[in-house]
Amino acid sequence: TQLLEQSPQFLSIQEGENLTVYCNSSSVFSSLQWYRQEPGEGPVLLVTVVTGGEVKKLKRLTFQFGDARKDSSLHITAAQPGDTGLYLCAGGGSQGNLIFGKGTKLSVKP
Amino acid sequence: EAGVTQSPTHLIKTRGQQATLRCSPISGHTSVYWYQQALGLGLQFLLWYDEGEERNRGNFPPRFSGRQFPNYSSELNVNALELEDSALYLCASSLGTSRQETQYFGPGTRLLVL
Repeated sequence: TQLLEQSPQFLSIQEGENLTVYCNSSSVFSSLQWYRQEPGEGPVLLVTVVTGGEVKKLKRLTFQFGDARKDSSLHITAAQPGDTGLYLCAGGGSQGNLIFGKGTKLSVKP
Repeated sequence: EAGVTQSPTHLIKTRGQQATLRCSPISGHTSVYWYQQALGLGLQFLLWYDEGEERNRGNFPPRFSGRQFPNYSSELNVNALELEDSALYLCASSLGTSRQETQYFGPGTRLLVL
């Protein structure tokens, strides 16, 4: 069974701090995706990482795919209140669906 | 270009009733996926439709069913509603069926079963 585990589950920080969210699996994924979801809305795709060792940057967000394609991380520099939300990692499942981690709920206080 | 749309946004039903949720994919997308997001459980895969056919389903009972129409829109039906069916139901669409195809999500339908 393919599983994705995210840590931490909850993160509450002050504006301007840095943070890292982790997504780990014992399975190899051909790609991993990161989504952000706000309350009552659907997940919005942030990035897809495909190649082992790949690093992608999206403004203050840096995404990394592990060399073995079993794990990924999301690093946010100088977090802002607008970064608040649920961050989800997802990988392609064997049934054609996406397998999601349970998410990291981030709260950035001004 | 319009994104994935879902209707209704909210739905209140009582136990034992049936619910019908609708989804319109992004124009040009042929695959539609349904997920359930219940409190504390994360997103769970329900159903996958492509080109009008059910391609796969997750670990849910048969009272969860659906279909995809010739215009690629989709319907999710939940029969004999139970209290634990209360959740946000998300629809996603993708261009094709490759595992690397990005799935784009709609805003969801919040179903409350009383």
